[in-house]
Amino acid sequence: GAVVSQHPSWVICKSGTSVKIECRSLDFQATTMFWYRQFPKKSLMLMATSNEGSKATYEQGVEKDKFLINHASLTLSTLTVTSAHPEDSSFYICSARDLKGQGYSNEKLFFGSGTQLSVL
Amino acid sequence: GQNIDQPTEMTATEGAIVQINCTYQTSGFNGLFWYQQHAGEAPTFLSYNVLDGLEEKGRFSSFLSRSKGYSYLLLKELQMKDSASYLCAVPTDSWGKLQFGAGTQVVVTP
Repeated sequence: GAVVSQHPSWVICKSGTSVKIECRSLDFQATTMFWYRQFPKKSLMLMATSNEGSKATYEQGVEKDKFLINHASLTLSTLTVTSAHPEDSSFYICSARDLKGQGYSNEKLFFGSGTQLSVL
Repeated sequence: GQNIDQPTEMTATEGAIVQINCTYQTSGFNGLFWYQQHAGEAPTFLSYNVLDGLEEKGRFSSFLSRSKGYSYLLLKELQMKDSASYLCAVPTDSWGKLQFGAGTQVVVTP
């Protein structure tokens, strides 16, 4: 079964509203989670690294005040798209690293199922 | 920085073989991933190579040459369900933080 749960799967909202997306590790602790964005027919672009108990690290060009990340526990990270606009419409995906992971192995890196955001 | 290149699209018929190439330039190297992604879904892990050579997993195989900065994913006995985007990815400066190539859209025709 899925080890990383991401909700909602899809959301439609009006321009100017805020949308929160949750990424939850189900059976492991994740001190670090990653948020990606994907536009149609494009690849995944890393937006930020979510760190439990500390501030997120944002990639160059990603507005931290626009995309608020909170990682308050070892199993949950949230991404809030504030004052959403049509250009924010995209597919957002999170991934989480198993805390017990050693070295580079896929067995320790899991993706959520993604959230399709459509801003009208 | 990192640079990852792969073809945009490939078309092949059912039952055929397709090879998707990926070249990369990285400041360090910690392996290379291949993922399959169907439209609107999250990536699904296919392979992870950290040593040179070919690794086979059923119909899918992945090859790595670290000296050439080159990898390929080989899909054999293509099925219609294999129509998807195939993403090459390398870890960056932090474990689990992946940089993805643009993806290769594979179209399987009857």
